[in-house]
Amino acid sequence: SQQGEEDPQALSIQEGENATMNCSYKTSINNLQWYRQNSGRGLVHLILIRSNEREKHSGRLRVTLDTSKKSSSLLITASRAADTASYFCATDYNAGNMLTFGGGTRLMVKP
Amino acid sequence: KAGVTQTPRYLIKTRGQQVTLSCSPISGHRSVSWYQQTPGQGLQFLFEYFSETQRNKGNFPGRFSGRQFSNSRSEMNVSTLELGDSALYLCASSLARSYEQYFGPGTRLTVT
Repeated sequence: SQQGEEDPQALSIQEGENATMNCSYKTSINNLQWYRQNSGRGLVHLILIRSNEREKHSGRLRVTLDTSKKSSSLLITASRAADTASYFCATDYNAGNMLTFGGGTRLMVKP
Repeated sequence: KAGVTQTPRYLIKTRGQQVTLSCSPISGHRSVSWYQQTPGQGLQFLFEYFSETQRNKGNFPGRFSGRQFSNSRSEMNVSTLELGDSALYLCASSLARSYEQYFGPGTRLTVT
């Protein structure tokens, strides 16, 4: 079963707008990671945030983590058509490399 | 550094056959994990190997097995294939525990 649930399942925006995706999970975690997948290809790692961190930035990406609410959000600012992809959150709850993925958010950025 | 490579990229097999998929991790990475991705079940963890030892195993039947060699390359095997085994199989390597994982392009397996 999937530990994480993502919201929304699909998101369509115009280029230049911001995109926000949310992830909720069920059990305590060691870290939470966000990945991007383009059209059935391999996953690309975006950001890893540890349980003792609240916010991380990487370029146009900002990730927040609220362990009290068991939730995380991924913000993509000034989106581009190339950001069109599926985005997944994945939780590591046993301090190992056994990731549990959410169902993903399909993002479409229209030029 | 070269990324994670997986072979073959595409495979078509018949029910009842067996299949072996291969994964070469990023140089220096000793942890290799395998995932199955299907439209219905999403991304699911299969198993993880570190220094030739299986450290974690997901909730899959015994038909799914794997191993890791001394050079960190890994293989997974699926015996007695079923139609439901049709999926994208992804391999990922990691430097250590609780670090980011780097995924290969995947092997798309179709069982007919």
